[in-house]
Amino acid sequence: SQQGEEDPQALSIQEGENATMNCSYKTSINNLQWYRQNSGRGLVHLILIRSNEREKHSGRLRVTLDTSKKSSSLLITASRAADTASYFCATAIQGAQKLVFGQGTRLTINP
Amino acid sequence: SAVISQKPSRDICQRGTSLTIQCQVDSQVTMMFWYRQQPGQSLTLIATANQGSEATYESGFVIDKFPISRPNLTFSTLTVSNMSPEDSSIYLCSSRRSGFGESYTFGSGTRLTVV
Repeated sequence: SQQGEEDPQALSIQEGENATMNCSYKTSINNLQWYRQNSGRGLVHLILIRSNEREKHSGRLRVTLDTSKKSSSLLITASRAADTASYFCATAIQGAQKLVFGQGTRLTINP
Repeated sequence: SAVISQKPSRDICQRGTSLTIQCQVDSQVTMMFWYRQQPGQSLTLIATANQGSEATYESGFVIDKFPISRPNLTFSTLTVSNMSPEDSSIYLCSSRRSGFGESYTFGSGTRLTVV
């Protein structure tokens, strides 16, 4: 079963704008990870944030984590057409080895 | 990180038949997992493939429908049995390496269409 929800379910913006996606989860976690999926195929790992971290950066990506609210956000700055994809958060639940995925956000970058 | 080779990449199958999907990891991993992704949906965990013992299935998934094997630390198979059109999905395997933190790797997926 899904751990939580992501919003928005779909996001369409102009190239160069920033895109923000949110993820909520339900249980205590070891870490939260963000993945990208193009055209319904393999997943690409983007970034991982541990439960004791609040913010993390990687290139044009910024991830925040609020464990008190059980939520995370992914910000993509200066978006490009190549960023068009589905984005999923996944939580590594405490006491378990498995990853549980959120519902995902379909991001479309318009040229 | 580990690299996973997943086969086949896609298949079209007749209802009532079975398909076995294979995943080969290029290094020994502690954990392997199988996910299903229905059209337009997120990934749902089917089971954790345990080396040398029966897989651990998530709620809603049963061994008779999705038998899983994991004979060693680098290889696992998932069989989709007695298929119906509702089984049309992408199936992905994943692995996690112990001692490498939280490193998870995913196969490229098998796109299954049941007709």
